[in-house]
Amino acid sequence: DTAVSQTPKYLVTQMGNDKSIKCEQNLGHDTMYWYKQDSKKFLKIMFSYNNKELIINETVPNRFSPKSPDKAHLNLHINSLELGDSAVYFCASSQDGRGYQPQHFGDGTRLSIL
Amino acid sequence: AQKVTQAQTEISVVEKEDVTLDCVYETRDTTYYLFWYKQPPSGELVFLIRRNSFDEQNEISGRYSWNFQKSTSSFNFTITASQVVDSAVYFCALSEARVEDNYGQNFVFGPGTRLSVLP
Repeated sequence: DTAVSQTPKYLVTQMGNDKSIKCEQNLGHDTMYWYKQDSKKFLKIMFSYNNKELIINETVPNRFSPKSPDKAHLNLHINSLELGDSAVYFCASSQDGRGYQPQHFGDGTRLSIL
Repeated sequence: AQKVTQAQTEISVVEKEDVTLDCVYETRDTTYYLFWYKQPPSGELVFLIRRNSFDEQNEISGRYSWNFQKSTSSFNFTITASQVVDSAVYFCALSEARVEDNYGQNFVFGPGTRLSVLP
């Protein structure tokens, strides 16, 4: 069974559309994250949720809205997509968010804006 | 503020050569954690190792070894007798300790080193 799963794996859409990426983890972890990886492979954290509560919210445009219906799910909704949103988005989880815990990543969602 | 530098953008080696990937970090915390992740061409991110700031013992796992030196703020990764399957982007990451009631570790990733192992 996949530990952290994201859907869809690929998302191609036009500028201005709204889209969502879903993430689920079956590790029993309390903390989940969203990262953006740009074309140069640079990884940057966007959001972190601990037990459904927002903990970290980096300077991300408010077109991006995470939603955590329960601690096993953290979905990412993006409004009014722009060309600069093209990237690979990774979901991750860790046990309870403490510094020493490794994060376990999903396989990524490649978002392409036309 | 935390920062991770991986000065080597790309490295190419021939199979069976040894290769060392450099990682230098900056932090003001006395307690912190360092990680290495591998991202093969298929795109997933695979956790390789974690090291605590108070444990400077080097670690070996098969062909992989890690050299942690607090004096130089470095956490280098060596692959011995490299293989084509080692071709990937390797990321070093730093995580600082959090107070007990403020979870939500902030991983800071380095820019990555792309390793190509040629047959």
